[in-house]
Amino acid sequence: AQSVAQPEDQVNVAEGNPLTVKCTYSVSGNPYLFWYVQYPNRGLQFLLKYITGDNLVKGSYGFEAEFNKSQTSFHLKKPSALVSDSALYFCAVRAFDTGRRALTFGSGTRLQVQP
Amino acid sequence: ETGVTQTPRHLVMGMTNKKSLKCEQHLGHNAMYWYKQSAKKPLELMFVYNFKEQTENNSVPSRFSPECPNSSHLFLHLHTLQPEDSALYLCASSQEEQENIQYFGAGTRLSVL
Repeated sequence: AQSVAQPEDQVNVAEGNPLTVKCTYSVSGNPYLFWYVQYPNRGLQFLLKYITGDNLVKGSYGFEAEFNKSQTSFHLKKPSALVSDSALYFCAVRAFDTGRRALTFGSGTRLQVQP
Repeated sequence: ETGVTQTPRHLVMGMTNKKSLKCEQHLGHNAMYWYKQSAKKPLELMFVYNFKEQTENNSVPSRFSPECPNSSHLFLHLHTLQPEDSALYLCASSQEEQENIQYFGAGTRLSVL
């Protein structure tokens, strides 16, 4: 079975400060890992993905995520938060080469950036 | 816009009604998905279609019935729903089922009275 845990329901950060949204995963074999963002009254939008290669992945809107195999984590980061980054963020995983092909999503973390 | 359009955006229905949700994608994709989004719960995959064939039914109750007449359209037929079925229903598409960058519609907010 594959699963994703996003331990924080909400993350609050001041504008201009760095932000981290946490994600840990469980999957058989090597993982595909994804981050999606959902703005109010919108569907999910793809931010970035990790498949193989460099553990630090860069994505849209200045976001990046670091794959840590030993800690089975894929935390989302941004050096300087903007108010417009306030949204709901979802981490997702699937097995690279075995098991269920569909993505498994976490429960989401609401990011609130205060001006 | 993501290229995936869902109608209606909002739907209120009684437990004895029959209604349908519609999803249309203009991206030339071959895989389409239905998800259920409830507050503070993981996004729940309901159905997957790849080249019009259903490839996954994630133990969804039979009161939800999907239909995929072609690769561009996906429907979710609803009948005798329960109040706990109230949620945001999201449609998504991807180039192929193996290609996991999915493009989502804005969803249909369903309320069952």
